[in-house]
Formats: sequence, structure tokens, C-alpha cells
Amino acid sequence: SQKIEQNSEALNIQEGKTATLTCNYTNYSPAYLQWYRQDPGRGPVFLLLIRENEKEKRKERLKVTFDTTLKQSLFHITASQPADSATYLCARGSQGNLIFGKGTKLSVKP
Amino acid sequence: SQTIHQWPATLVQPVGSPLSLECTVEGTSNPNLYWYRQAAGRGLQLLFYSVGIGQISSEVPQNLSASRPQDRQFILSSKKLLLSDSGFYLCAWSVHPGDTEAFFGQGTRLTVV
Repeated sequence: SQKIEQNSEALNIQEGKTATLTCNYTNYSPAYLQWYRQDPGRGPVFLLLIRENEKEKRKERLKVTFDTTLKQSLFHITASQPADSATYLCARGSQGNLIFGKGTKLSVKP
Repeated sequence: SQTIHQWPATLVQPVGSPLSLECTVEGTSNPNLYWYRQAAGRGLQLLFYSVGIGQISSEVPQNLSASRPQDRQFILSSKKLLLSDSGFYLCAWSVHPGDTEAFFGQGTRLTVV
């Protein structure tokens, strides 16, 4: 079956460091991958979308990569801040639906 | 600008009671609409999605159903709630599935007692 997986449930890093989150997919080749941020008790908020023909996309301190050989997308937050603490979700769309990974909870310690 | 409204914010219902959650989108036409459920400490589970009026696709068989009576209205229902139906329910919309961002409502926290 087609799967999208975020293998790390949690990631703890020190303020100022770069956080790197991983999203893997199996048994299909998505044309797009999306990344969202979710705060407790709130709906996810869109951050970035990357297409399969794009190796990298940036938005302020955020960077997303898409490696079709490894079947993997990496999400980076540079110069991380405590305010970046949240759960980050990757998602892929196919045939009308939008499927999310389970998310990685990022905690940035001051 | 587009907005999405979802209500109620919280709901406590007894086992066996019916459920109706409503979601409406403003400022766009023919949106793709989605219902998700997030159990405590779990990921987002896609329940239903709709690409047009009266077109509903179910991702997970269960005692829930969805309807889209109008272009920008999406309703999640159940005739008899189970304890396992407790969770955080989220409605979302997008212009196209996958290649455009999805916008989420504020969610409904449902507790079945």
C-alpha cells in the first residue's frame, strides 16, 4: 500500500540549532509533498509545497528538499527558536485526497 | 478572502446519540473538501473527501457518514456514536488536491461518554 511516514515521533534540539525532520514515502511516486505545522488544539497550517522536479524550496528560515531517489523529503528549520516548537506534518495528494504522516513533535529548548 | 467555519468547537455526547458536524467555506467555489479525525496523540486520519456536490469518497469504513448538500457545505454525521468516535475532528478545503495548500478549520473536540 502507499505510505507516507514520519519515523521520528519527537525531536528535541537547542535554540539556535538547525532542526531536520524526515518524511519518507513508499510504493508510489508523489508529484508533490506538503509540509504543515500544527499547534496543540489547532488545525494544521500550511508551510511549504515542493514538486518532484524541485530539489529544494525555501521560505525564510524554512527549507524543504525532495529526493526522488531516496523517496524522501527533508524539512529544515535553521536558527530554531522556542516558538518553532510544534508538530510538523508532511502530506501528499493523490486522486482527490490529501494524506498526512503522523507528524514529528519538535521541541526547541532555550 | 477565503474562510472556513467549523462548529461547534467542543461537544460532549453520550454513546448511542447522533452526531452532526458542519463545515462551510466562504470566498471560493467548487472547493475540494475533507474531514479528518485526530485521536489523542495520533496523526490525522482522512475520513472523507469530496470533489463536488454529492460526490463523497470514504477512506475508512466506520459508523460515520458525510454529505455535501451545497457546494461549500460539508457535513459529518453519525446515527449512533461509539466511544471510539472521540477525537479532534477537522474540516479542510483546497483548490486542488495535493498540488495546492489545504486550509483547515479550527476543529471540533468530540468526547463520547
